[in-house]
Amino acid sequence: QSALTQPASVSGSPGQSITISCTGTSSDIGGYNYVSWYQQHPGKAPKLIIYEVSNRPSGVSNRFSGSKSGNTASLTISGLQAEDEGDYYCSSYTSSNALLFGGGTKLTVL
Amino acid sequence: EVQLVESGGGLVKPGGSLRLSCAASGFTFTNYNINWVRQAPGKGLEWVSSISSSTTYVYYTDSVKGRFTVSRDNAKNSVYLQVNSLRAEDTAVYYCARDRYDGIYTYGEFDNWGQGTLVTVSS
Repeated sequence: QSALTQPASVSGSPGQSITISCTGTSSDIGGYNYVSWYQQHPGKAPKLIIYEVSNRPSGVSNRFSGSKSGNTASLTISGLQAEDEGDYYCSSYTSSNALLFGGGTKLTVL
Repeated sequence: EVQLVESGGGLVKPGGSLRLSCAASGFTFTNYNINWVRQAPGKGLEWVSSISSSTTYVYYTDSVKGRFTVSRDNAKNSVYLQVNSLRAEDTAVYYCARDRYDGIYTYGEFDNWGQGTLVTVSS
């Protein structure tokens, strides 16, 4: 199974909004509402920021939001802050009872 | 406070074996699925395996089937990953991660992670 497709990098200035896409197939993203997003800072473990497409765990800023259309999921970060810089990964449940991650997107705050 | 602490990593030759451990504390262990996720140096995340609270349901990514075995000891609040027939491409930091709930499948909703243990496969 190939990884979900994410852009390698995105960037934005403080205060702006950015969107990261995550493209899969009808066997994963398109077939289920089990898309999650993770934020990872260098040398740290990933942190869950979105689950089930658009739900935020307790304590996660409402500047993070998720959505899905067809086989593509998206993460939007509004009001960009310096602390948002890091790597972002999407994941999706698959029809093979497995889990796929995206290749990761490096977010740079200019 | 929820804590997951991995151990057991190290340097091993191709074809060798290791047993990774994940010790959990701060929550009711038997209420959650536990997963293993790995990250090769400088690369992205890769889901490896999951085990349900009762150990009834276990799953693996295709590349480790037949070589890796996940297990758990609920009396010791621990999960294990036996990794055999190691290859260079298995070199990675191995994280254990807690699912948000207990269920038949893992949906990738990992709300707590350990700090990881590094496995290096090299001659």
